[in-house]
Amino acid sequence: GAVVSQHPSRVICKSGTSVKIECRSLDFQATTMFWYRQFPKQSLMLMATSNEGSKATYEQGVEKDKFLINHASLTLSTLTVTSAHPEDSSFYICSARDLIRGYNEQFFGPGTRLTVL
Amino acid sequence: DQQVKQNSPSLSVQEGRISILNCDYTNSMFDYFLWYKKYPAEGPTFLISISSIKDKNEDGRFTVFLNKSAKHLSLHIVPSQPGDSAVYFCAASLTSGTYKYIFGTGTRLKVLA
Repeated sequence: GAVVSQHPSRVICKSGTSVKIECRSLDFQATTMFWYRQFPKQSLMLMATSNEGSKATYEQGVEKDKFLINHASLTLSTLTVTSAHPEDSSFYICSARDLIRGYNEQFFGPGTRLTVL
Repeated sequence: DQQVKQNSPSLSVQEGRISILNCDYTNSMFDYFLWYKKYPAEGPTFLISISSIKDKNEDGRFTVFLNKSAKHLSLHIVPSQPGDSAVYFCAASLTSGTYKYIFGTGTRLKVLA
């Protein structure tokens, strides 16, 4: 099956610092990766779509200068939360599509719990 | 504007019985639908999907039904097992363009032993 990993699984940082979250597809090439955030007891909200080698497409209401996304290779996308504040505390999840094998399903990483103090 | 809704936030079912989880959507352009299972502090796990050209898809204990005219889909789990206890999300997608998913609000299923 298709495996997606995320690192770190949990991070606690001080307000004003930046945090980088990595998303890797371990056994397939992901031309497209997606970043979601989930608040407690709420749905997964799509933040942005990341295509390898091009700029990410952000959903309405998501600040692209605050949530920097880089998809430098077919197996790695990173999300950097810049100048984090307590309201950025959330569960961040990435997913990836295996377009080469033609799967319609997105395969999700295990998520990263961000806590900003 | 919630395009995908799961109106039941929670559901309790006795082990061995059928679990029926429902999902409604508003955008008639959606043409691909999926169900994911999620445990706390973990990423969603894919369960089953259905294309809009079908009205039913079955995989083991899981069956998804799609009623396009009503813009409604449902997930049937039979027989339900305690290990099925989790939060279930439906998702809708357009197969043209970015394939991005719009997730429903989730239904917490509890299967009682």
